[in-house]
Amino acid sequence: GENVEQHPSTLSVQEGDSAVIKCTYSDSASNYFPWYKQELGKGPQLIIDIRSNVGEKKDQRIAVTLNKTAKHFSLHITETQPEDSAVYFCAASTKNTGNQFYFGTGTSLTVIP
Amino acid sequence: NAGVTQTPKFQVLKTGQSMTLQCAQDMNHNSMYWYRQDPGMGLRLIYYSASEGTTDKGEVPNGYNVSRLNKREFSLRLESAAPSQTSVYFCASPSSGGEQYFGPGTRLTVT
Repeated sequence: GENVEQHPSTLSVQEGDSAVIKCTYSDSASNYFPWYKQELGKGPQLIIDIRSNVGEKKDQRIAVTLNKTAKHFSLHITETQPEDSAVYFCAASTKNTGNQFYFGTGTSLTVIP
Repeated sequence: NAGVTQTPKFQVLKTGQSMTLQCAQDMNHNSMYWYRQDPGMGLRLIYYSASEGTTDKGEVPNGYNVSRLNKREFSLRLESAAPSQTSVYFCASPSSGGEQYFGPGTRLTVT
């Protein structure tokens, strides 16, 4: 099955700096790559996603890039703010596995004011 | 429109007890999923239901059973709880486009 690896597991940045989280996947059939933000005591919330026919997608301060050849995708957060502090998860999915989602192990991001 | 709701929010069980976690979605989605979340392991799929009347095993199904009661509801049952099932359980439902919506979670402790 699919194997998704995520790095780093923890990340601290100064407010206003950028944060980058990287994920790799193993199944070349995966075609949907969402990113989730999970705040303490809450369920994960979708913040941005990308499909395999697109190389980059941006939504205000958040962007995701996908390199299908290398099988990796990254989350970029610019001008970080304290409210960006949370755990971020990447995931990969394919219709070949009944739309099962395979998650990375998460990155705990701390933005220092 | 509440999205995905789960009950209970917290539960403490003794080893060997049984319980059912409830999940409902009001988005008219076909698919529903149950995950468990453990520290350092991300989210792992327990069971999923691609449509009303169907269920399939995920990555970690042992010790669990599920019922897709109707299109809205998907329950997870622990017949004989074990300490290894201490975890946070999330129900989720993806849209037809693949965007997955999660419930608030159930924090279960088995002593």
